[in-house]
Amino acid sequence: DAMVIQNPRYQVTQFGKPVTLSCSQTLNHNVMYWYQQKSSQAPKLLFHYYDKDFNNEADTPDNFQSRRPNTSFCFLDIRSPGLGDAAMYLCATSRDYGPQRQFFGPGTRLTVL
Amino acid sequence: GQSLEQPSEVTAVEGAIVQINCTYQTSGFYGLSWYQQHDGGAPTFLSYNGLDGLEETGRFSSFLSRSDSYGYLLLQELQMKDSASYFCAVRDRGNTGFQKLVFGTGTRLLVSP
Repeated sequence: DAMVIQNPRYQVTQFGKPVTLSCSQTLNHNVMYWYQQKSSQAPKLLFHYYDKDFNNEADTPDNFQSRRPNTSFCFLDIRSPGLGDAAMYLCATSRDYGPQRQFFGPGTRLTVL
Repeated sequence: GQSLEQPSEVTAVEGAIVQINCTYQTSGFYGLSWYQQHDGGAPTFLSYNGLDGLEETGRFSSFLSRSDSYGYLLLQELQMKDSASYFCAVRDRGNTGFQKLVFGTGTRLLVSP
């Protein structure tokens, strides 16, 4: 089945220790998104790629970076995680912009000690 | 700014009908979507309304009134497995010019026997 895969599902890191989360998709979609979702809150868009064109939300902290080396893979790098970065990180894809449904991965739950 | 308001929690019994409302204020509007999210899981797409009126998909229906900036999700013949959080999401034009999803505050639905 075509799908969105995220690894790892659970990640524990220490305060200030860089961490990388990965996402892959078999849907061959043009757009890949990264969302942050804190407990009992709505998903918040961090940034997205249309193919290799990167688009950053204005309020996304510089601490968060992303890479998309090819159509299938996208990475979220948190350079110096703080306690406030503990959250579920969701990767999503859509075929294109416009009224396209987004397909979400299962998420990576990040714990910062 | 952008805001989407939903009730925080709704309770109902199996077999009942429940309506989850969503009111929105956004700078642009390109349609209203609904997503379901079980605890610890990923959001999954339920429905999309680009135009006014009712869209029906099995036990779920969604309604939109653009003049009232209002929509709702109607769930019929409730089942225990429908216990989840439900998010409305508006397609809005982001700071980079592309259409992005802005999620509502989310409604937690609890279905009891």
